[in-house]
Amino acid sequence: GDSVTQMEGPVTLSEEAFLTINCTYTATGYPSLFWYVQYPGEGLQLLLKATKADDKGSNKGFEATYRKETTSFHLEKGSVQVSDSAVYFCALTLNTGNQFYFGTGTSLTVIP
Amino acid sequence: NAGVTQTPKFQVLKTGQSMTLQCAQDMNHNSMYWYRQDPGMGLRLIYYSASEGTTDKGEVPNGYNVSRLNKREFSLRLESAAPSQTSVYFCASGTGGNSRRYEAFFGQGTRLTVV
Repeated sequence: GDSVTQMEGPVTLSEEAFLTINCTYTATGYPSLFWYVQYPGEGLQLLLKATKADDKGSNKGFEATYRKETTSFHLEKGSVQVSDSAVYFCALTLNTGNQFYFGTGTSLTVIP
Repeated sequence: NAGVTQTPKFQVLKTGQSMTLQCAQDMNHNSMYWYRQDPGMGLRLIYYSASEGTTDKGEVPNGYNVSRLNKREFSLRLESAAPSQTSVYFCASGTGGNSRRYEAFFGQGTRLTVV
């Protein structure tokens, strides 16, 4: 079935370090891919998305490229800040958009 | 910009009690969803509604019922709460239809504890 697998955490980085959170997917069709972020005590917020192969989503210094050949959508940021500490979820939806499939989430803590 | 509003934010129930979680969105979205979030499990879909008047089961529907009252409101009911339903519940709404423009927007969550 359709699913998302993402790198397990927690991840702890020093400020200004490079971040990669891996995400791979399995889908029967041609999904749209998303990264959501959840700050402590809050709901999920859309961070970025890509709707077709080779698209790059970007926002707030984060980037992810939709790689159909490797079925991946890895999240990267060149220099993390303390304010980036949160839980990050990779997700996909198929053409109908009627159901999201989420990964288990990766907790990121950035220390000064 | 209210977006998706859930009530209550916190709730403690005794085993066997019932309650309804309320959700309303003001973005004129057709699709609405209820998810539960558990440690190490990510978000799992309980029920969704693709449009007013329709509801469908998701991955974990047992023990829950839903009502799509109108286009704005989608409620989740626990008829007889069990400790296994202790979780954080999120309501979401989405643009639906053409997935190339699709986005989902989430409420702040309801933290439910069943003792």
